[in-house]
Amino acid sequence: GAVVSQHPSRVICKSGTSVKIECRSLDFQATTMFWYRQFPKQSLMLMATSNEGSKATYEQGVEKDKFLINHASLTLSTLTVTSAHPEDSSFYICSARRTGDFFGQGTRLTVV
Amino acid sequence: AQKVTQAQTEISVVEKEDVTLDCVYETRDTTYYLFWYKQPPSGELVFLIRRNSFDEQNEISGRYSWNFQKSTSSFNFTITASQVVDSAVYFCALASQGKLIFGTGTRLQVFP
Repeated sequence: GAVVSQHPSRVICKSGTSVKIECRSLDFQATTMFWYRQFPKQSLMLMATSNEGSKATYEQGVEKDKFLINHASLTLSTLTVTSAHPEDSSFYICSARRTGDFFGQGTRLTVV
Repeated sequence: AQKVTQAQTEISVVEKEDVTLDCVYETRDTTYYLFWYKQPPSGELVFLIRRNSFDEQNEISGRYSWNFQKSTSSFNFTITASQVVDSAVYFCALASQGKLIFGTGTRLQVFP
């Protein structure tokens, strides 16, 4: 099956710092990857669509300057939360598209 | 509007009971895909099934079965003889315009 690896699984950072989350497709090439955010006991909300070699497409209401997405290769997309604040604390999960969407393990970000 | 509704927020059953998780969707698309994902406490999303809108055949995979009814825009998921390991949040999702739209999820608790 298709394997997507997300790293780190948990991260705690200080307010004002930046955090980078990686999403890798391990056994297939993914032209398109997606980044979601999930608040406790809530659904997944699509933040942006990451396309290899081009700019990401952000959903309405998502600050592109705060959530920087880079999809530099067919197997790696990164999400950088810049100048993190406590309200950015959440569960972030990526997916890579093959015939279907395969998800990473998620990253729990806590900003203190 | 594209929308997925999972009206059941939480369901609790005792092991070996059968349980059905409801999913109702709205879409203007004539061709679309429907999905079910499982999210255990660890957080990752586990793909369970993808169904094409033209394929209304019900599907069975072990203890899992899915009932797709286009006439009522429903894609319900039944677990037969539930087990404690089935405890998780289950999400129904609709693929529309290249994106996945998730329902709010149903938390299933299976007690021994």
